[in-house]
Amino acid sequence: AQSVAQPEDQVNVAEGNPLTVKCTYSVSGNPYLFWYVQYPNRGLQFLLKYITGDNLVKGSYGFEAEFNKSQTSFHLKKPSALVSDSALYFCAVRDSNTGGFKTIFGAGTRLFVKA
Amino acid sequence: DVKVTQSSRYLVKRTGEKVFLECVQDMDHENMFWYRQDPGLGLRLIYFSYDVKMKEKGDIPEGYSVSREKKERFSLILESASTNQTSMYLCASRSAGGGTGELFFGEGSRLTVL
Repeated sequence: AQSVAQPEDQVNVAEGNPLTVKCTYSVSGNPYLFWYVQYPNRGLQFLLKYITGDNLVKGSYGFEAEFNKSQTSFHLKKPSALVSDSALYFCAVRDSNTGGFKTIFGAGTRLFVKA
Repeated sequence: DVKVTQSSRYLVKRTGEKVFLECVQDMDHENMFWYRQDPGLGLRLIYFSYDVKMKEKGDIPEGYSVSREKKERFSLILESASTNQTSMYLCASRSAGGGTGELFFGEGSRLTVL
């Protein structure tokens, strides 16, 4: 079965320090991978995606993610965290078994950035 | 600015009531989706639609139905609300294209069923 795992429910980091939010996936075929962010009482916003090409993908708000095929991972990173980055982050992958219509989401990782 | 608009941000309903959640997108997207979000479970797909009047069941369709009479509008219907349907409901849209495009989400509708 195709799946996405976010092994950490919560990540705590000090402002100015680098942050990493982890994601691993299991899909058949080529993975199409996404990161979304959700601020309190809001919908999800797209951050970045990997479809093909460079393994390092750059996205909104200074975030980037590294696709690692051998480790089936797509970790989200930022060199210097801001308090305003505190939010809920979702990793997602296209479900290739459904013609690409469905997206499988991880359970989410809550990021706390302390001033 | 592109937008997905959900008609109600907060609703409180009683068990057995019929509930309509409406979603409108202004991006001319072919695909529209209804998700349910619960803590620790991520987002679970209820129904999706890839064209007008077309609908497909997602992972948790029981207790829900949908309607898509116009391209821009996708409605979620709870025929007889139950307390276990208390949740955050998120509508999303996406252009056609094999799933390479990102989803655009509305702000969400938080439903409480008493």
